[in-house]
Amino acid sequence: DTGVSQNPRHKITKRGQNVTFRCDPISEHNRLYWYRQTLGQGPEFLTYFQNEAQLEKSRLLSDRFSAERPKGSFSTLEIQRTEQGDSAMYLCASSPQTGTLGNQETQYFGPGTRLLVL
Amino acid sequence: AQKVTQAQTEISVVEKEDVTLDCVYETRDTTYYLFWYKQPPSGELVFLIRRNSFDEQNEISGRYSWNFQKSTSSFNFTITASQVVDSAVYFCALSEAEAGGSYIPTFGRGTSLIVHP
Repeated sequence: DTGVSQNPRHKITKRGQNVTFRCDPISEHNRLYWYRQTLGQGPEFLTYFQNEAQLEKSRLLSDRFSAERPKGSFSTLEIQRTEQGDSAMYLCASSPQTGTLGNQETQYFGPGTRLLVL
Repeated sequence: AQKVTQAQTEISVVEKEDVTLDCVYETRDTTYYLFWYKQPPSGELVFLIRRNSFDEQNEISGRYSWNFQKSTSSFNFTITASQVVDSAVYFCALSEAEAGGSYIPTFGRGTSLIVHP
């Protein structure tokens, strides 16, 4: 399977704990995106990497959130001191840089990590 | 600022009925992309189609068809002869060019389609 993968698929944690999620993009894609999706809503953009550079961050990304993509391949999203409001599905997507414009802008999503903060 | 409205929260049909999912968007850009994604109960968003703002040709793919009308800022999605497997949440999304040259999509709230046997 060469699609986007995310681990873990589910995470239950207690308020105040730190959690880390991993995303492995499609291998030839150099753009990687993180989104958060709550019940009944569409995905909301959190942050975006081109290779190892984090190019954009949403205002939704509070200082408790940090994302890395150290070697331009997989990425991690860490949430420190989790709060109940952080409970959501965290989605990762990737897209290619090269190719015709349009192809670059089509994002392919992973299965998501569902976080529940108790 | 970009905005996507999917006014239909939930649609319920019986198998073999045709169904249209509405999407209305707002943008000030002349260059933008529109997308439809399907999210089945498993949770993974599945890419269905991309349209750029310069291509108003309607598209048909099997039982799926899309009607892009710039005059009404709409990008509607029709499923012909719906099947139970079509049951999912469908998202419409709009991407404009950001300052850094990237396109960050804004998603609508989604339309939940339930197809009864």
